[in-house]
Amino acid sequence: GPKVLQIPSHQIIDMGQMVTLNCDPVSNHLYFYWYKQILGQQMEFLVNFYNGKVMEKSKLFKDQFSVERPDGSYFTLKIQPTALEDSAVYFCASSDWVLYAEQFFGPGTRLTVL
Amino acid sequence: GDSVTQTEGPVTVSESESLIINCTYSATSIAYPNLFWYVRYPGEGLQLLLKVITAGQKGSSRGFEATYNKETTSFHLQKASVQESDSAVYYCALANYGNEKITFGAGTKLTIKP
Repeated sequence: GPKVLQIPSHQIIDMGQMVTLNCDPVSNHLYFYWYKQILGQQMEFLVNFYNGKVMEKSKLFKDQFSVERPDGSYFTLKIQPTALEDSAVYFCASSDWVLYAEQFFGPGTRLTVL
Repeated sequence: GDSVTQTEGPVTVSESESLIINCTYSATSIAYPNLFWYVRYPGEGLQLLLKVITAGQKGSSRGFEATYNKETTSFHLQKASVQESDSAVYYCALANYGNEKITFGAGTKLTIKP
């Protein structure tokens, strides 16, 4: 089936530094999402993105977070600066249209902030 | 906010036995959310197992079934006879009408004994 890729699979970074997580969504998909899963906890919605804009974000999507997809390339999640509580697995997803559309998920990027 | 509660894992079942993983939900943002079961097989990304968008309906896939019960706000996952290949983590989830944001349960790790 359609695949979403995420790069890198693991990232270790010092607190206060910037990190960019990359997502290669399914070709021709229009809606993009990020979810966060802290170890031992539930996967939680962060943000969705359509037509170059954030459509909805949760309270977990702090001011230090930003998303973009310049020129149809990777859909990225940037955290600047990082904090210890940002350590988690981040999952990207994409869907081809909104109503009842299935979200296809990537394998996740494990981010460790030291 | 919306929430999903499911059987705490890990769950171990012998091959060819029956399985039920309980799921109940609370949806405050929408009266009748869309309901899903997702599965993550070892080493793979999250994938949709089945979905039901109409209360009272049953969804099925790969021998698994779940019925959308709006009276008990439940969406239990059942299988009559499990196989070793069913070993995975199963997530119950709900989404609003447009599927723009998914709320996940904590996941249930299922191990099938040969």
